[in-house]
Amino acid sequence: AQSVTQPDIHITVSEGASLELRCNYSYGATPYLFWYVQSPGQGLQLLLKYFSGDTLVQGIKGFEAEFKRSQSSFNLRKPSVHWSDAAEYFCAVGPVMDMGRRALTFGSGTRLQVQP
Amino acid sequence: DAGVTQSPTHLIKTRGQQVTLRCSPKSGHDTVSWYQQALGQGPQFIFQYYEEEERQRGNFPDRFSGHQFPNYSSELNVNALLLGDSALYLCASRQGQGHIEQYFGPGTRLTVT
Repeated sequence: AQSVTQPDIHITVSEGASLELRCNYSYGATPYLFWYVQSPGQGLQLLLKYFSGDTLVQGIKGFEAEFKRSQSSFNLRKPSVHWSDAAEYFCAVGPVMDMGRRALTFGSGTRLQVQP
Repeated sequence: DAGVTQSPTHLIKTRGQQVTLRCSPKSGHDTVSWYQQALGQGPQFIFQYYEEEERQRGNFPDRFSGHQFPNYSSELNVNALLLGDSALYLCASRQGQGHIEQYFGPGTRLTVT
C-alpha cells in the first residue's frame, strides 16, 4: 500500500530565511506527486505537481520541489519565506496507472510558523 | 469561473444522527471525490463518483454513502454519527476520471457532540 511520510510535524523559520519541507513516499512505482497548502479554516490549494520529466518543478508563490527517485523523496523548498507562508503543508501521491482510480494519499502535514 | 463549492460551512450534530453534506464541482468537472480530514491529520480518501456511480472507495464503513446528480454535484451522507466523525470534509473535483489534478473546496466542518 502506498504511504507518504512528512517527518517534520512543526517547523519554525524566520522571515526571509530559506525553507525545506521533507516528503518521502512508499509506492510500487513512481507516482504523481503533489504539494498542497492549507491556511487555517481553509481548503487545500495546489502549490505544485510532478508528473514526469524535469525533476525540479516550479510552483506558485515562489515554491519549488525536487523529485529524487533514488531517495523516494519530493522535498518542497523556498529561498526566502514570507510571513504569509505560515500554514499547513501537505505532500500527496496519486497513481499513474489505473486511470479510474485517482485517489490521493496524503501525508500528515507539516505546520510552518514564520517568525518576524 | 466558480471553483468547488461546499455547503454548509459548519455543522453541529449529535451522536446517532444523520448528516448530508453537499458539493458543487468546478465548472467543466465531472468527477467528484470526498475526503475526511481529522484535526491534525492529512485528508483521507472516502470515495469518488463519476457518471453518477461510486468508482472507488477508501477504508470507510458503510455508514458513509454518497450520491452524484446529473449536473455532477454530489452529496456525502453519514449515518449513525460517532464522535470520531468530527472532521473537516473536503470535496475535490476534476475533469474526467483519467485526469489527475484535483481542485479542492473549502470544506464543511462537522462537529459531533
